Amino acid sequence: DTAVSQTPKYLVTQMGNDKSIKCEQNLGHDTMYWYKQDSKKFLKIMFSYNNKELIINETVPNRFSPKSPDKAHLNLHINSLELGDSAVYFCASSQGLAVSYEQYFGPGTRLTVT
Amino acid sequence: KQEVTQIPAALSVPEGENLVLNCSFTDSAIYNLQWFRQDPGKGLTSLLLIQSSQREQTSGRLNASLDKSSGRSTLYIAASQPGDSATYLCAGNFGNEKLTFGTGTRLTIIP
Repeated sequence: DTAVSQTPKYLVTQMGNDKSIKCEQNLGHDTMYWYKQDSKKFLKIMFSYNNKELIINETVPNRFSPKSPDKAHLNLHINSLELGDSAVYFCASSQGLAVSYEQYFGPGTRLTVT
Repeated sequence: KQEVTQIPAALSVPEGENLVLNCSFTDSAIYNLQWFRQDPGKGLTSLLLIQSSQREQTSGRLNASLDKSSGRSTLYIAASQPGDSATYLCAGNFGNEKLTFGTGTRLTIIP
């Protein structure tokens, strides 16, 4: 009965590689997000999608490309990985774009770039 | 620029005591504020969501308040337990369809 799930939970890879993180929510929500938590534990929005449409792109390098095949999924593909990409990436979802909605977070994917 | 601040960064409290965690924000035009708990190596668990029209919300031993005019929110934990040890994050929604997070307060309850 997991609400927001992410795979993989841990990802270790070398610089220059391309990798993807998958996110799925079974809450029937319309809006999904990607957040990045850096080494200092600071969480910051990267992207949000509503009904498969990109709403927020928070000046993220274009090596990061989100893809939403349907409302329940928002995947994050990262090209040419760099050391600075090492972080924990959290997926989240909410019922819609309205500001009153609560956001629900996945367990996170810890990405380590060596 | 909308900023959310949490002070102190770390707090240790003996078991059984009541405690208050602080969250301040720079934009009084806040729509809602959400409190989360994060255990080490884990995701975020939503604790309470306060809408701008509300002054407080309660869930069990937790009570969160919101004062837009002063730009402050507090999370009150009653009768603290060792299981309450975690990092507590507050996040504001300022109407731009995203959450702006504070840097968190790492809470340790001493048995």
